Amino acid sequence: EAQVTQNPRYLITVTGKKLTVTCSQNMNHEYMSWYRQDPGLGLRQIYYSMNVEVTDKGDVPEGYKVSRKEKRNFPLILESPSPNQTSLYFCASSLSGSTIGEQFFGPGTRLTVL
Amino acid sequence: AQSVTQLGSHVSVSEGALVLLRCNYSSSVPPYLFWYVQYPNQGLQLLLKYTTGATLVKGINGFEAEFKKSETSFHLTKPSAHMSDAAEYFCAVSESDSWGKLQFGAGTQVVVTP
Repeated sequence: EAQVTQNPRYLITVTGKKLTVTCSQNMNHEYMSWYRQDPGLGLRQIYYSMNVEVTDKGDVPEGYKVSRKEKRNFPLILESPSPNQTSLYFCASSLSGSTIGEQFFGPGTRLTVL
Repeated sequence: AQSVTQLGSHVSVSEGALVLLRCNYSSSVPPYLFWYVQYPNQGLQLLLKYTTGATLVKGINGFEAEFKKSETSFHLTKPSAHMSDAAEYFCAVSESDSWGKLQFGAGTQVVVTP
């Protein structure tokens, strides 16, 4: 089954404790992206990757890191989480950057930073 | 740079009535436009898209949208609302000269009343 998986689905942590949210897709997609969703703000793009070893900033990259060492995986790293990073995070993938609108979304990761 | 404005954060519609969700965009180049739906506790699902060609596009679940360049709009409609249409809807835009970036509106929550 074609899908985007994220782990963990729920996470409660404390300020400053490094964490990684994993994202994996099984569709051989070139393009992957991370978004955060906050009430009244819709989804905002954090980082995206056009292919292996190619990443770029979205609209709200501060406080986040990503890497794309393999085509299927695109982890999101919070080196020192802060309460303003409490949010619902979505990973998404599409065949390429030119088909960005036709993204497959993961189920989401709800992060709470205390 | 592109941006998206969705008019109305909440819309209440009676079952069987017309659903109309408004989306206006700004873009310095021809835009690609999309509508997504998010059901409770799920990721986003693509409803329909406009890239080029016919300005009236049909999507899944009986939804359609019309691209009006002169009005910079891409409103979503459905002739007859069903209870299962209760969800949050997001309009999004990408630009053909900035592959990788996708800008979402703030979302419109649709409530369907019997």
